[in-house]
Amino acid sequence: EAGVTQSPTHLIKTRGQQATLRCSPISGHTSVYWYQQALGLGLQFLLWYDEGEERNRGNFPPRFSGRQFPNYSSELNVNALELEDSALYLCASSLAPGLAGNEQFFGPGTRLTVL
Amino acid sequence: DAKTTQPPSMDCAEGRAANLPCNHSTISGNEYVYWYRQIHSQGPQYIIHGLKNNETNEMASLIITEDRKSSTLILPHATLRDTAVYYCIVRSRSGNTPLVFGKGTRLSVIA
Repeated sequence: EAGVTQSPTHLIKTRGQQATLRCSPISGHTSVYWYQQALGLGLQFLLWYDEGEERNRGNFPPRFSGRQFPNYSSELNVNALELEDSALYLCASSLAPGLAGNEQFFGPGTRLTVL
Repeated sequence: DAKTTQPPSMDCAEGRAANLPCNHSTISGNEYVYWYRQIHSQGPQYIIHGLKNNETNEMASLIITEDRKSSTLILPHATLRDTAVYYCIVRSRSGNTPLVFGKGTRLSVIA
């Protein structure tokens, strides 16, 4: 069974540009979570989508946004990039909330570098 | 904020059992204890979770105290590939919340 996949593996942008990161969940999973892991700051929750809807949002500015498509894949968009947005962006998927066994499984991440 | 407390680092000799403690004194009745690990710059890997009974799978065992205020993750025969940061996370059993990661324990397995 294929795991969570993310693309691209690496992404280099300059300040002010926009970045788009993509995630494909495990087959059968409807929930997708995005996390940011910046150097020295640990893993921080960004966004959660389930059944195409945004369910929860972490403490990040509105220029961090995303969406979930009908096939449950997801995009994370970061507008007006700042240097401190440089980080490893991790996507995780799980079964729908409330179902037994809804632990989250993570992808390998996208390393975003903002110059 | 994370609801768990873990030692920042631990060492373990290869082949020996690694026992990683976690305090979660404010855990509520509807919360599970989850363990994940992150090998350098990779995505976190799910290990195990439990509510109140001890749990075992092919990777590890989870021992939860009777009052549920602390737990221990046991890797029975640590190998060099188990070197990673281990995160203990408390999460609602409904699963309708994201994972809140603390700083975790950096386990170094030494040959």
